[in-house]
Amino acid sequence: QVQVQESGPGLVKPSQTLSLTCTVSGGIISSGAYYWSWIRQHPGKGLEWIGYIYYSGSTYYNPSLKSRVTMSVDTSKNQFSLNLSSVTAADTAVYYCVGSSGYANWIDPWGQGTLVTVSS
Amino acid sequence: DIQMTQSPSSLSVSVGDRVTITCRASQSISSYLNWYQQKPGKAPNLLIYAASSVQSGVPSRFSGSGSGTDFTLTISSLQPEDFATYYCQQSYSIPWTFGQGTKVEMK
Repeated sequence: QVQVQESGPGLVKPSQTLSLTCTVSGGIISSGAYYWSWIRQHPGKGLEWIGYIYYSGSTYYNPSLKSRVTMSVDTSKNQFSLNLSSVTAADTAVYYCVGSSGYANWIDPWGQGTLVTVSS
Repeated sequence: DIQMTQSPSSLSVSVGDRVTITCRASQSISSYLNWYQQKPGKAPNLLIYAASSVQSGVPSRFSGSGSGTDFTLTISSLQPEDFATYYCQQSYSIPWTFGQGTKVEMK
């Protein structure tokens, strides 16, 4: 059973870059079975898809964040990562790493989520 | 972007009630519609994929239907563990988008 787990700083200063890593276990990231995404949830709010990366390195980003987002994959470590630059308080949220599969790209598994607060 | 609109935003129900949540897409998304359940402090959990397929391990009281622009999630007999927030999500086109959520609360 594939599982994912986020890691990274819980506090980031304004204007800096938010960096998170997701470790995949129970499966091989380069199997091609999943698209690997980041999703965030502002406190008390709904879900926002940030973008996905495939094991090959191909990416799709949400246009609303595209200018600030970079995703990468490290198949040797079975990890993928998110960088979000020039953060502001509006980027404070719980960040989830997830895998999606199937023709309808249903999202499963989900990481437990990590709260990132942007504050000086 | 495809807008997903859920109704109602919240509902107060009792154990044993039949619950219906609707999700409407701003354009046709065929059957590229998934449903998730989220409990406080937890990550969402996949319930229904491709509009009507029940995820493995999900109780049979959960069902989904619809295609095109209108979709429904039904809980046939609400159980205590079903009090949660439910989200629909379209994967027909990038960016993937979610409904605003429906909070199912105890009456």
